[in-house]
Amino acid sequence: EAGVTQFPSHSVIEKGQTVTLRCDPISGHDNLYWYRRVMGKEIKFLLHFVKESKQDESGMPNNRFLAERTGGTYSTLKVQPAELEDSGVYFCASSGQLFNSGNTIYFGEGSWLTVV
Amino acid sequence: QKEVEQDPGPLSVPEGAIVSLNCTYSNSAFQYFMWYRQYSRKGPELLMYTYSSGNKEDGRFTAQVDKSSKYISLFIRDSQPSDSATYLCAMKAQAGTALIFGKGTTLSVSS
Repeated sequence: EAGVTQFPSHSVIEKGQTVTLRCDPISGHDNLYWYRRVMGKEIKFLLHFVKESKQDESGMPNNRFLAERTGGTYSTLKVQPAELEDSGVYFCASSGQLFNSGNTIYFGEGSWLTVV
Repeated sequence: QKEVEQDPGPLSVPEGAIVSLNCTYSNSAFQYFMWYRQYSRKGPELLMYTYSSGNKEDGRFTAQVDKSSKYISLFIRDSQPSDSATYLCAMKAQAGTALIFGKGTTLSVSS
């Protein structure tokens, strides 16, 4: 079974540009999460989808970040316009239905973003 | 005060040593406790998961949760060079809610 896959694995963009990160969760997982780790800090929650609906987006830093999950399958996280402080690694994670295996969250390898 | 505190280390031990990794937390509502292992430039990999208080053992790994002290531990017995990684504690209050992570402890096991 394929794990959580993320694309691109690395991205270097200039300040002011736009970047779109993609996440393909484990097949059948309704819950999809985005997390971020900036240099020297802990991994922090950004938002949580249940199927195509945003369950919790309390961690989104500002309106330059837009996450979508059309059709409840893959998700994209767009940063527009990117700022220097957006540099870090963006992790996507997924889990199954809450009553079954929702407590086990599987992470992708991350998309490493550098804004210069 | 941060919700989850974890000493970042680094922690260096010889092969075969017993390793103790710890986290403290402030939110008494946390019920789900995880330990993740992260190798360099990779994503976190779930190592151990514990619900509420108690111990859980899996091979060379033992996770302990003491909710009265708001303290969790991960013990690694007979440590191996392949255990060299960053170990992250994470916890949450309810199923499906956001995980709160510690900063991670970097462990190096020398042969």
